[in-house]
Amino acid sequence: QSALTQPRSVSGSPGQSVTISCTGTSSDVGGYNYVSWYQQHPGKAPKLMIYDVSKRPSGVPDRFSGSKSGNTASLTISGLQAEDEADYYCCSYAGSYTLFGGGTKLTVL
Amino acid sequence: QVQLQESGPGLVKPSQTLSLTCTVSGGSISSGGYYWSWIRQHPGKGLEWIGYIYYSGSTYYNPSLKSRVTISVDTSKNQFSLKLSSVTAADTAVYYCARDGSGNRIFDLWGRGTLVTVSS
Repeated sequence: QSALTQPRSVSGSPGQSVTISCTGTSSDVGGYNYVSWYQQHPGKAPKLMIYDVSKRPSGVPDRFSGSKSGNTASLTISGLQAEDEADYYCCSYAGSYTLFGGGTKLTVL
Repeated sequence: QVQLQESGPGLVKPSQTLSLTCTVSGGSISSGGYYWSWIRQHPGKGLEWIGYIYYSGSTYYNPSLKSRVTISVDTSKNQFSLKLSSVTAADTAVYYCARDGSGNRIFDLWGRGTLVTVSS
């Protein structure tokens, strides 16, 4: 099983929107609605931002949203803020496997 | 609120067994409904799920690590543990314990992580 594919980096200016993609296969992202997204600041543990493709845990701003089309899931962050600068990882249930993406570094310009 | 804290040696020799413990505070590991996982992150790299244990003791491991991994639970101490045998330098990583509330690999609570270096 290969890791899910994410862009290595994305960037945006404060107030703008950015979208991070996460591409898998029909055996993982495309086969289950159990895609989650995690935010990780340097030296910190990951934090759950989106689960079940598009649901937000309590306390996560509604600027964060998730979606899925076919084998690709996406995380969109609108109204970018400086504190959104971090690494973002997608994760998908895949039966016997649990797959993470390689991570995307978001830079807020 | 519930918190997780990893503990264990930060340095392990090659071929030996890595042993870590995660202590759950602010809630009972036996309350049910939760799957207690280990996840690792190689330096500067992405995340890798190692496996989980349910409070009843049932386990599920990453097939790629299954032959070397054992996860156990001690409900009396509110802890669960990881053992990874025959380690090599490739097992050097930050090891996190995490809570999965659904069994669908949605990790809603994480420990701070502990760096384990494999070196002689």
